[in-house]
Amino acid sequence: EIVLTQSPGTLSLSPGERATLSCRASQSVSSSYLAWYQQKPGQAPRLLIYGASSRANGIPDRFSGSGSGTDFTLTISRLEPEDFAVYYCQQYGSPLTFGGGTKVEIK
Amino acid sequence: EVQLVQSGAEMKKPGESLKISCEASAYSSTTYWIGWVRQMPGKGLEWMGCIYTGDSDTRYSPSFQGQVTISADKSISTAYLQWSSLKASDTAMYYCVTMVRLPGPSDYWGQGTLVTVSS
Repeated sequence: EIVLTQSPGTLSLSPGERATLSCRASQSVSSSYLAWYQQKPGQAPRLLIYGASSRANGIPDRFSGSGSGTDFTLTISRLEPEDFAVYYCQQYGSPLTFGGGTKVEIK
Repeated sequence: EVQLVQSGAEMKKPGESLKISCEASAYSSTTYWIGWVRQMPGKGLEWMGCIYTGDSDTRYSPSFQGQVTISADKSISTAYLQWSSLKASDTAMYYCVTMVRLPGPSDYWGQGTLVTVSS
């Protein structure tokens, strides 16, 4: 089973700043089967990025994903107030696993 | 628009059985995978397993194999997550998700079903 480690655990930033979130896998993720999800308090998660770098439908272009192998990054170019949330990475090989999450909070 | 509508919150006692449901509507494909994700209070997401609506092929995460049963009724586009004997540690929010194929990301999520197990 692939273990995903997300860092940092919490990121304190101001609106307008750039956020860089890391997801490291314990072994290589097949064919970039890596996704990112956003979860706001009291809500279900929603898909942001799949295939490591493809944005899901309706996701603003300030969200971008990159990486391959064992190291992946989610970048939010300029934080909007609605972007403060918890972000999870997921590898969807078999068996599927999630990272522990990174909370992006207002500084 | 795709909608996943889950059954309502449940409050149960340890040892009781439970079956929660997830109805999918307006999905782009007639056959797809429905998965289940657990989120314990204040914690992260855990993948439990999934089922293919086409032939009911079922896959479980090793952590949940034998602990729960996933099933589906294709005729009503509904998937189920079932426990035969609940424990207090099963207290969590449970989300259903869809995937057009495996491997694939979880493209749509249900609103969640809160299960509380307490004596």
